[in-house]
Amino acid sequence: AQSVTQPDIHITVSEGASLELRCNYSYGATPYLFWYVQSPGQGLQLLLKYFSGDTLVQGIKGFEAEFKRSQSSFNLRKPSVHWSDAAEYFCAVGVSGGYNKLIFGAGTRLAVHP
Amino acid sequence: ETGVTQTPRHLVMGMTNKKSLKCEQHLGHNAMYWYKQSAKKPLELMFVYSLEERVENNSVPSRFSPECPNSSHLFLHLHTLQPEDSALYLCASSQVGVAMGYTFGSGTRLTVV
Repeated sequence: AQSVTQPDIHITVSEGASLELRCNYSYGATPYLFWYVQSPGQGLQLLLKYFSGDTLVQGIKGFEAEFKRSQSSFNLRKPSVHWSDAAEYFCAVGVSGGYNKLIFGAGTRLAVHP
Repeated sequence: ETGVTQTPRHLVMGMTNKKSLKCEQHLGHNAMYWYKQSAKKPLELMFVYSLEERVENNSVPSRFSPECPNSSHLFLHLHTLQPEDSALYLCASSQVGVAMGYTFGSGTRLTVV
């Protein structure tokens, strides 16, 4: 069965530090992978997506993610975190066929210390 | 107006009330979704409409009743809710057959008293 695991429930980093949020997926075929961000009380905003091709994808707000098929991972990174990056981050895998079902991870809440 | 719009943003209702949440998308998408997001719980997919037909109903209690009159509008009718139904209700849309992910609305914060 398809699934997404985000091992870290909470992460705290200092402003200006680098960030890596982990995501592991389970899916038999080539996955479509997504990262979303949710600010408090808001909906989810798409940060970036991977469909095929270059395994390093760039997104909005200075984020990037790397697809590693051998590790079934799609980790999100940012070289220097800003206080405004404090939010919850969701990884998702797209299941092809039908209505394009997305399987979401449980999310990682990021806190940023000044 | 663009994107996915949800109204109202906040709703407080008694357990005996009847209310409706509305979602409208201006993206030309043909699939729409309702999600429930409770504190400290993963996102829960409630209903999916694809090409205006309900294609998924994830064991949601009958006190929640979805309606999709056309591909641009989605409603969630609520009646005799319980306090545990208090949550953020998110609507999303996508294009069937195109693996582009979902576009989400800002949600309706529902409090059942």
